[in-house]
Amino acid sequence: QVQLVESGGGVVQPGGSLRLSCEASGFTFSRYGIYWVRQAPGKGLEWMAFIRFDGSEEYYADSVKGRFTVSRDNSKNILYLQMNSLRAEDTAVYYCAKVIITIFGVVHYVMDVWGQGTTVTVSS
Amino acid sequence: EIVLTQSPATLSVSPGERATLSCRASQSVGSNLAWYQQKPGQAPRLLIYGASTRATGIPASFSGSGSGTEFTLTISGLQSEDFAVYYCQQYNNWPVTFGPGTKVDIK
Repeated sequence: QVQLVESGGGVVQPGGSLRLSCEASGFTFSRYGIYWVRQAPGKGLEWMAFIRFDGSEEYYADSVKGRFTVSRDNSKNILYLQMNSLRAEDTAVYYCAKVIITIFGVVHYVMDVWGQGTTVTVSS
Repeated sequence: EIVLTQSPATLSVSPGERATLSCRASQSVGSNLAWYQQKPGQAPRLLIYGASTRATGIPASFSGSGSGTEFTLTISGLQSEDFAVYYCQQYNNWPVTFGPGTKVDIK
């Protein structure tokens, strides 16, 4: 069963740091690019970061560039999101999600399988 | 950045009826558009990618169409479990972007 499980959320003060983890199972993790997507309370979906299957490239939303870093350990099937200089507006549920690779090897950069999310609250 | 506009913001539909949701892109995204469904307290679920390809396990009552800048998600014969918020997402250009969502509720 393809599964992603996020962890590491919690309450942190403004300016603080937090590291989220996303543990993968049921698929060949090292073949897939993975997204981080967040959703603030009562709001829509916001893409945060993406890392290619081999970690060779990373992309970030402008709102988190320079503050957040995505990384992965393919030997452990784990994805990370290091969040520094946290702000109140970073309060959200954070999801990780994998892309689709078709049977023809075509990559669709959509969010195919999602984790259940982990909640980050930035508050003093 | 490509901006996606979804309409209507809220769609009230009776069970068994058809729902038609629209997503418009500020510039062409080719066929690189996806649709997601999200229910309260749950993670989103991928419905459609490549504008018209159903994701694994998605029933045929969901269909997507369009290309370029105009896209449509059609839900035929709405069932109780289909009442949710629906988002479109383009992945033709970085940054990938989402639309603001359409809420489908019971009429």
